[in-house]
Amino acid sequence: GAVVSQHPSRVICKSGTSVKIECRSLDFQATTMFWYRQFPKKSLMLMATSNEGSKATYEQGVEKDKFLINHASLTLSTLTVTSAHPEDSSFYICSARAGQGYEQYFGPGTRLTVT
Amino acid sequence: GQQLNQSPQSMFIQEGEDVSMNCTSSSIFNTWLWYKQDPGEGPVLLIALYKAGELTSNGRLTAQFGITRKDSFLNISASIPSDVGIYFCAGNGNQFYFGTGTSLTVIP
Repeated sequence: GAVVSQHPSRVICKSGTSVKIECRSLDFQATTMFWYRQFPKKSLMLMATSNEGSKATYEQGVEKDKFLINHASLTLSTLTVTSAHPEDSSFYICSARAGQGYEQYFGPGTRLTVT
Repeated sequence: GQQLNQSPQSMFIQEGEDVSMNCTSSSIFNTWLWYKQDPGEGPVLLIALYKAGELTSNGRLTAQFGITRKDSFLNISASIPSDVGIYFCAGNGNQFYFGTGTSLTVIP
């Protein structure tokens, strides 16, 4: 149980284009989903928290107009990187939490490369 | 946000040896979680701890919720090559915080 998927696993895009990453909880309903960014050999950096049906809460320093988050259902959240630049290249990981539980279950991550 | 301090930062051990790592915080936590991340993958939950003093095992892994609620320990017994990866602690206080990670290398 508690499986989270992400799609795509890898994406290469040109500078200036937008990329959408999907995060799905496959066998549970996720009232809260989280988006992280991870640089090589570093820990995960929380970008934003999203609750189903409401606006995402962004961490300080994360541009909400650049990283658009939508949590339209209890099993799906999307992160759209708009007008991507090479410095947006990174490993993006989502996680999901069921109800009031403390455990977060992570997706397999998406490697974004902006050329 | 705040990050939890993990130590050691990296470990190189011989197969069969036991491993210990810990995580400390300046804040009190209600829950401690331990994750393992393989290269190019997302973290996988290993053990969850819910109350101070709790000791929980998952196969060769044992984790403890520190009595002060500001630290946690993870032990791996009789390490094997597939234990290689980065181990992260995470804690829930008023927010969810991630550790800085401990990179484990097991030499066959």
